Amino acid sequence: EIVLTQSPATLSLSPGERATLSCRASQSVTGSYLAWYQQKPGQAPRLLIYGASTRATGTPDRFDGSGSGTDFTLTISRLDPGDFAVYYCQQYASSLSITFGQGTRLDIK
Amino acid sequence: QVQLVESGGGVVHPGRSLTLSCATSGFTFSSYGMHWVRQAPGKGLEWVAIIWHDGSDKYYADSVKGRFTISRDQSKNTMYLQMNSLRPEDTAVYYCARDGYKHFDLWGQGTLVTVSS
Repeated sequence: EIVLTQSPATLSLSPGERATLSCRASQSVTGSYLAWYQQKPGQAPRLLIYGASTRATGTPDRFDGSGSGTDFTLTISRLDPGDFAVYYCQQYASSLSITFGQGTRLDIK
Repeated sequence: QVQLVESGGGVVHPGRSLTLSCATSGFTFSSYGMHWVRQAPGKGLEWVAIIWHDGSDKYYADSVKGRFTISRDQSKNTMYLQMNSLRPEDTAVYYCARDGYKHFDLWGQGTLVTVSS
């Protein structure tokens, strides 16, 4: 099983600042099948990025995904008040191995 | 519109069974693989199971293998999760999600399952 480790666990920033979230895999993620999701309290997760760097429909261009192999990054260039939420990375190497990271909580400073 | 709606959650005693449903609309259900993902209270996301678009293949997380069964009814555009031998650690919000090819591109609002005596 591929283990995803997200860091930091909590990130406290102010609106307008830049956020950098990390997701490290215990082994290489085949085909860069790495996605990022945003989850707000009481809501279902929402797909932001797939294939490591492709924005999903409706994802603002201030969200940028990058990386390959075992190291992936989600960057939010200018934080909007609506961006404060929990972010999860997820890998899908095969149907026998689908895992999520433990999440990064992005808090308002 | 395109949506997934879960139902069937509730409070159940340990060892008992429960069946969840995921009703879909707004897209060609038979063209998509479907998943169940769960989230224990205050915890992160855990993938539970996948069923192929045509129902020909199914895979499960080790934590539920042998106890849970995923299925789908193409005529009703609905997916199911039969949960047997429920344990307190199965307590979670259960989400159904559509497979957008190696990611989950559409999620339901979730249904809460509480396993408690």
